[in-house]
This record gives sequence, C-alpha cells and structure tokens, in this order.
Amino acid sequence: QKEVEQDPGPLSVPEGAIVSLNCTYSNSAFQYFMWYRQYSRKGPELLMYTYSSGNKEDGRFTAQVDKSSKYISLFIRDSQPSDSATYLCAGSGSARQLTFGSGTQLTVLP
Amino acid sequence: GAVVSQHPSWVICKSGTSVKIECRSLDFQATTMFWYRQFPKQSLMLMATSNEGSKATYEQGVEKDKFLINHASLTLSTLTVTSAHPEDSSFYICSATLQGGYTEAFFGQGTRLTVV
Repeated sequence: QKEVEQDPGPLSVPEGAIVSLNCTYSNSAFQYFMWYRQYSRKGPELLMYTYSSGNKEDGRFTAQVDKSSKYISLFIRDSQPSDSATYLCAGSGSARQLTFGSGTQLTVLP
Repeated sequence: GAVVSQHPSWVICKSGTSVKIECRSLDFQATTMFWYRQFPKQSLMLMATSNEGSKATYEQGVEKDKFLINHASLTLSTLTVTSAHPEDSSFYICSATLQGGYTEAFFGQGTRLTVV
C-alpha cells in the first residue's frame, strides 16, 4: 500500500465548477499536509499547506485535513481554465521529507 | 516565495556519458535539499536527501554510485548521473527547505534528461 493514495483522474469540469480533490494517507506520523500544483514539464508549486487537522482557506482554494480518517482534501471554487494542471497532495512528518500522492490531472473546460 | 533554480531545464546525452544537474536556492540558505525523480504521469519519487557539508542519504533502491550528490554550500546541490543509460531518462526535480521552522519546500523547475 502506498503511503499516500490519490485518484489519478483525469478529471474534467466546466469553468466555474467547484472542484474537489482528495487523498488518503496511512502514515500516522504525518503532521504537515501540502497541496502542490504542477504544470506540464514544470516543477511543483506549493498551493496550500496545513498543520494537523483543520481547514485553511486562501482565495478560491480551501484545504482540509481530517487526521482521524487520514483524509486530505482540496477544494477549488469558481474553477478557471488556468487551474488546469496536475495537483499533488503530500504529507510530511518531522523529518521534513515529503511523501507525494500520484497526482490528479485536472482540466477546466472554458 | 523563495526561488529555487535548476539547471539545465533539459538535456540530451549519449549512453555512457555523465550529466550534472545543478540546484540553487537563489534568495535563501537551504540546509537541506531533496532530489526527486518523476516518470510520466507518476508521482515524485524521493531519490536522496542532501545536507550541506555531509554525505547524502539515499532512498532504498537508489544507486549512490550512479547518482552522485554533492551539497558543497548552503545554496547549491548537484546531482550527477554517471554512465547514463536510456532507462535513466526521466524528469529530475530538486527542492530546498528553509532553515529551521516548518517544512515548506520550494521546488526547482525540473530537468528533463533524455539518454540516447
């Protein structure tokens, strides 16, 4: 079993839709949870990070972590074509090493 | 946010030759840098953790003699793929973390290596 499981998609939504991206993890030592966006042939860009359980909002993006169920979510409101990318979730314990999910490919159709 | 620059962004080399990839933190000091490998439509797989002034820590299954990592300063780490073969063709990405505090990692733009 992978430490971080993520549905690879692909996921296509119309412009303006609410997008829900999800991951599950198995490592109880994870304290930090991140979402990265990766455009084709580029390095990942940090979107959001949360510590332990809870919600965090930044503009159109909301990250949620439920440590009791080991579930990580990212919501994108009012999705735009420019949001089309691969979204990677990641978890990290105290070692500062990131364990990534496989990524979900998202396409927002104009 | 902090900037990590990776060079080159792409390279094509002949089988049997060596290729060096540089990872620089431009506006901060990075005590720790990480090297990842990514195959198409797959996740980033950690290859090694590089600490300034000490030997890199390699993940299980990664050949340390093939993937040489040097972290000579707080702003530069290099990955050298020695005696490259076509199966080494991949997307290599580095990341760097700020000193102290939380684990926010900043990634370079990646290097696409093609071995022919």
